[in-house]
Amino acid sequence: DAGVTQSPTHLIKTRGQQVTLRCSPKSGHDTVSWYQQALGQGPQFIFQYYEEEERQRGNFPDRFSGHQFPNYSSELNVNALLLGDSALYLCASSSAPGTGGSYEQFFGPGTRLTVL
Amino acid sequence: AQSVTQPDIHITVSEGASLELRCNYSYGATPYLFWYVQSPGQGLQLLLKYFSGDTLVQGIKGFEAEFKRSQSSFNLRKPSVHWSDAAEYFCAVARQGTASKLTFGTGTRLQVTL
Repeated sequence: DAGVTQSPTHLIKTRGQQVTLRCSPKSGHDTVSWYQQALGQGPQFIFQYYEEEERQRGNFPDRFSGHQFPNYSSELNVNALLLGDSALYLCASSSAPGTGGSYEQFFGPGTRLTVL
Repeated sequence: AQSVTQPDIHITVSEGASLELRCNYSYGATPYLFWYVQSPGQGLQLLLKYFSGDTLVQGIKGFEAEFKRSQSSFNLRKPSVHWSDAAEYFCAVARQGTASKLTFGTGTRLQVTL
């Protein structure tokens, strides 16, 4: 079982640029959530995708957007990058309880984004 | 709004000593409760979770946690710490009936001395 995978591992961008991060959920999972973890902080919820739609959103600006594909993989896009967007971006997958899943989220290793 | 407080930013214990990491939450109702561990450069691994029932829950790697409703606490414990337990530990909560939005504390960094 491959678990949650994320790409790339590391990324360096400059202010104002745009970035796309990718996530493949654990086999059998259909729900993907994204979190931002700044240095020395706990992860903060960005949004969640299920059935290719954004279902919940945290307190993040519209510069943060996402997408979920029919194979359940997901992308996180950040436009007009700011220095403060430098962080570890974590993807987590789960399966909806109604489909036999549980309430546990499985996390990937993350993508380290540095904005210069 | 819900919040999670981990009052200890950094804890150092000797190998073989017992460990207790504190977690307090603020929530409108009893939430689902989780403890995660994060090793350097790694993602988060679930240690244990509480949904309902027995307030003492057992997890992986010899960890346990006790839910105390009256104190809004969910402290993590281990009777004997191993050097490999050195990592960052996060307490998290989610609304009952869903775990789609986890709210995390700021974490406690555990250092283990030999």
